[in-house]
Amino acid sequence: KAGVTQTPRYLIKTRGQQVTLSCSPISGHRSVSWYQQTPGQGLQFLFEYFSETQRNKGNFPGRFSGRQFSNSRSEMNVSTLELGDSALYLCASSEDWPGSRNQPQHFGDGTRLSIL
Amino acid sequence: GDSVTQMEGPVTLSEEAFLTINCTYTATGYPSLFWYVQYPGEGLQLLLKATKADDKGSNKGFEATYRKETTSFHLEKGSVQVSDSAVYFCALSGAAGNKLTFGGGTRVLVKP
Repeated sequence: KAGVTQTPRYLIKTRGQQVTLSCSPISGHRSVSWYQQTPGQGLQFLFEYFSETQRNKGNFPGRFSGRQFSNSRSEMNVSTLELGDSALYLCASSEDWPGSRNQPQHFGDGTRLSIL
Repeated sequence: GDSVTQMEGPVTLSEEAFLTINCTYTATGYPSLFWYVQYPGEGLQLLLKATKADDKGSNKGFEATYRKETTSFHLEKGSVQVSDSAVYFCALSGAAGNKLTFGGGTRVLVKP
């Protein structure tokens, strides 16, 4: 099976712009989660989507949003970019079925976002 | 809320040395515990997992045992190789579904 695919790998934006990142999960995985990784704050959970619904949300401002499509692909959007949004954004997918619990997540290689 | 604390690095070792990375956690209920590894320029790879007390996860020579009494999940490897140089993250998944809570990561450098 192909792994989790994130596009683009690198992105440079300026303050005030908005950006959309894309994630294609492993085939058959219906849960997609997003994480932000920075040297200062480490790995922080952004949100999780399952069957096109946001199931869980971390402590990020409303400028960070996401969605999931019927084929489980997901996008995250960041509006009004700030310098502090510079980070590696990681997407992860996992299997999820009734009765399953805390299944391992499989990560993509991430999108490195730099804000100038 | 849930939290994970792991030893700070960097940890520098010689090849064939013994590696231990300490990890302790705070969580309500019965979380699942994971170790992930990150190589330069890549995402995280699942190294091993344990889902209940006294479970031992193992993979590629690495082992970790879920100790509920000490709320710990320490990672060990008996003989490291240069290729084990990476950043290692301890994580838990608790009551909030698939959300992972990570420790700060431990950079390991193995010298030939």
